[in-house]
Amino acid sequence: QKEVEQNSGPLSVPEGAIASLNCTYSDRVSQSFFWYRQYSGKSPELIMSIYSNGDKEDGRFTAQLNKASQYVSLLIRDSQPSDSATYLCAVNTAGGGADGLTFGKGTHLIIQP
Amino acid sequence: DTAVSQTPKYLVTQMGNDKSIKCEQNLGHDTMYWYKQDSKKFLKIMFSYNNKELIINETVPNRFSPKSPDKAHLNLHINSLELGDSAVYFCASSQMGGNEQFFGPGTRLTVL
Repeated sequence: QKEVEQNSGPLSVPEGAIASLNCTYSDRVSQSFFWYRQYSGKSPELIMSIYSNGDKEDGRFTAQLNKASQYVSLLIRDSQPSDSATYLCAVNTAGGGADGLTFGKGTHLIIQP
Repeated sequence: DTAVSQTPKYLVTQMGNDKSIKCEQNLGHDTMYWYKQDSKKFLKIMFSYNNKELIINETVPNRFSPKSPDKAHLNLHINSLELGDSAVYFCASSQMGGNEQFFGPGTRLTVL
């Protein structure tokens, strides 16, 4: 059974600070890793994907992957109130396989003005 | 332009009825998916489908059946609706499995 674990929060971060979101996964053959942002009542929105060990930066977002530790993280720099949302970590087992993403239960992030 | 669209946005129906949700994507993707998000906001894969293969999650009751008339559409038919089917259903698509998936706006199903 593939599992993805996240701290449900809420995680409260002051505006302008760095928000750090963490995720662990159980299936060692996982190949693709994604972070989605979901506002209340809206659909998940892809914000980062990462496929190899190390860091990947896109604007204020940095995804970090450590396959040996089965750990994925998302850093949000200069946090803004508009970043307040639920962040979903998702994992896919095999490139080319169509068995869908396994999601964590999400971390509720609150950016305090 | 809407990338992944779903209809209807809201669906309220009685137990025992049969209903369908439609999904269309204009991204040219070859794989489409249905996910269910329950009241605790847990998002879980139900089906994935490309023009060659249907992958069924074994925990999904056979009252649920996906139907794909073509590569751009994946509809979800639900027979004999039950109270526990109340949830938000999301359609998604990707270019080949394993790649980035893009979600539709969701359909909130309420079974009374």
